[in-house]
Amino acid sequence: DVKVTQSSRYLVKRTGEKVFLECVQDMDHENMFWYRQDPGLGLRLIYFSYDVKMKEKGDIPEGYSVSREKKERFSLILESASTNQTSMYLCASRPVGGGLFFGSGTQLSVL
Amino acid sequence: GESVGLHLPTLSVQEGDNSIINCAYSNSASDYFIWYKQESGKGPQFIIDIRSNMDKRQGQRVTVLLNKTVKHLSLQIAATQPGDSAVYFCAENTGFQKLVFGTGTRLLVSP
Repeated sequence: DVKVTQSSRYLVKRTGEKVFLECVQDMDHENMFWYRQDPGLGLRLIYFSYDVKMKEKGDIPEGYSVSREKKERFSLILESASTNQTSMYLCASRPVGGGLFFGSGTQLSVL
Repeated sequence: GESVGLHLPTLSVQEGDNSIINCAYSNSASDYFIWYKQESGKGPQFIIDIRSNMDKRQGQRVTVLLNKTVKHLSLQIAATQPGDSAVYFCAENTGFQKLVFGTGTRLLVSP
């Protein structure tokens, strides 16, 4: 089975803090993604990566950056957290031509 | 559009009934479709997929039907169980790494 592991299930941070969300997948997938999910807005793509050191902006990249130094790991960085970044963050990986496999999510609260 | 959250269409069924969840997709050029199940507080879970050159695909207790003429996708769950209670949503692959998620449907299964 594909396993996508997100490092934290719940996080509470303060406004202005730098936040790192880590994601690791164990199926050697080329493609990895970060989404946020909010009630009434559904899943929105923040960034994705189709190879090591490659990144592409999704639909809502503002306020976020990403890092992919190794194939199995894709990190989402909030440079200066704000309250409107309180959300459920979902990491996913995807084989070429296949569907997305999601992690369990990180519920981030920014106070 | 994308919508998972407070005001979802809801399908209520009795345990043992068959459930049918529907999804209208938007892009006639979409070549690949996926159904996801999301339980409360968890990440979306891949259920079944289908490519546009097929009109039916079966899994364990689940069947996906694709009608390209009317751009309609359905998920049939046989002998629905209380553990099937969740939000279900479809996704269509509209292009390179472009998955568009449909409006979710909440399935409630009564014992």
